[in-house]
This record gives sequence, C-alpha cells and structure tokens, in this order.
Amino acid sequence: SQTIHQWPATLVQPVGSPLSLECTVEGTSNPNLYWYRQAAGRGLQLLFYSVGIGQISSEVPQNLSASRPQDRQFILSSKKLLLSDSGFYLCASGTGFYQPQHFGDGTRLSIL
Amino acid sequence: DQQVKQNSPSLSVQEGRISILNCDYTNSMFDYFLWYKKYPAEGPTFLISISSIKDKNEDGRFTVFLNKSAKHLSLHIVPSQPGDSAVYFCAASVVHSPLQGAQKLVFGQGTRLTINP
Repeated sequence: SQTIHQWPATLVQPVGSPLSLECTVEGTSNPNLYWYRQAAGRGLQLLFYSVGIGQISSEVPQNLSASRPQDRQFILSSKKLLLSDSGFYLCASGTGFYQPQHFGDGTRLSIL
Repeated sequence: DQQVKQNSPSLSVQEGRISILNCDYTNSMFDYFLWYKKYPAEGPTFLISISSIKDKNEDGRFTVFLNKSAKHLSLHIVPSQPGDSAVYFCAASVVHSPLQGAQKLVFGQGTRLTINP
C-alpha cells in the first residue's frame, strides 16, 4: 500500500517570506499527485494536480505554484507568502479512475 | 459555488446506535463518490466509495447509499463506536485527463460526528 510523507507538520512563516512544502510517495509508481488546502471550517479545495514528471495543472489562480521534479515527489512553493495562504495543506496520491486518493498527514501553515 | 454540501456541521449519536451522515451534490456529471474520515492534525483516511452505476455499497459497519435522482449520498455506520468520533467528509469525483486517470475530488465542508458512551 502507498504511504504519503509530508513535511514539515507545522510551519509558521512571516508575510512575504518564501515557502517550500515537500511531499513524497512510497509504495507506488507513476501516481497522480494532488495538493489540497483546507481553510478553517471549510472543506478541502484542490489547488494543483500532476499526472507525471514536469506536468502540473492549476485549479485556482493564486499565489502558489507546484512542481514535480521526480515521479514520486511533489513540491508546493511560493515566492512571497500572503496572510490568506494560511491553512492546512494536504498532499494526495491516486492511481487511476474510480480509485480513492490517499492523503498525507498535512502541513499546518500559519502566516504572521 | 458549493457543488457538494454537507448541511449538518455536527451530529451526536449514542454508542451502539446508527449514525447517518448526509451529503447533497449539484453536478450531475459526478460519477464517483467517496467518504473520508479525519482526525485532528491528520490527513483524511479513505472509508468507502461508490460509483454512479450502483446505489449501495457496504464494507463492514459502513454502508454508503446513492440516490442519483435526488443527488443525495449518505453514510450509515452501524453500530457506532467511540472511535468513530471524527470529522467526516464526502467527496465527489470528476474525471480529468481521461487518458491518464487524474481525478478531481470536490469535497463537502465536513460533519463532526461525536459518539457518546
């Protein structure tokens, strides 16, 4: 079974600072990878997904970007964080049609 | 727009009784539905799913029902146990990138289930 690793678990950053969150997947090859964000009291919102190395699709316009440098590595970045970037960021991995996505334990990002 | 809605933010059920969590959706293109369970500071854990060609799927204590005409999904937990206390999210899937199987999950806001001893 696949395991999704995310780090760090918690991050506090000042406004205007850069961001890099990393996600790695074990136990599967060529997965589809996803970044979601959960704002306080809300459901999960899809930010980016990737079907392969270097292939990124963005779902919402925002201050963030994503990259996939290796098959099982997915990175979420920002050059300058905004207060509105605060939230709980989750990486997920999926293997195809009509299969569940599996999630990492997330990163709680607080912007001060 | 909120394509997937969980209208009950919280639900309290006595241990041993049935828990019923509800979910409504608006997009008739959704064809795969999932329930996830989430504990604080952890990622969601997959519970059970159903495709639109079925109206019921069962896995142990968990059963999901799909009513396509009403665009309504429900999760039944029988019997409810204290460890079931968590936030439950329903999600619906729209297939993206058909050649490569990427799926976009649209989530409801979640329902906090509390099981009382």
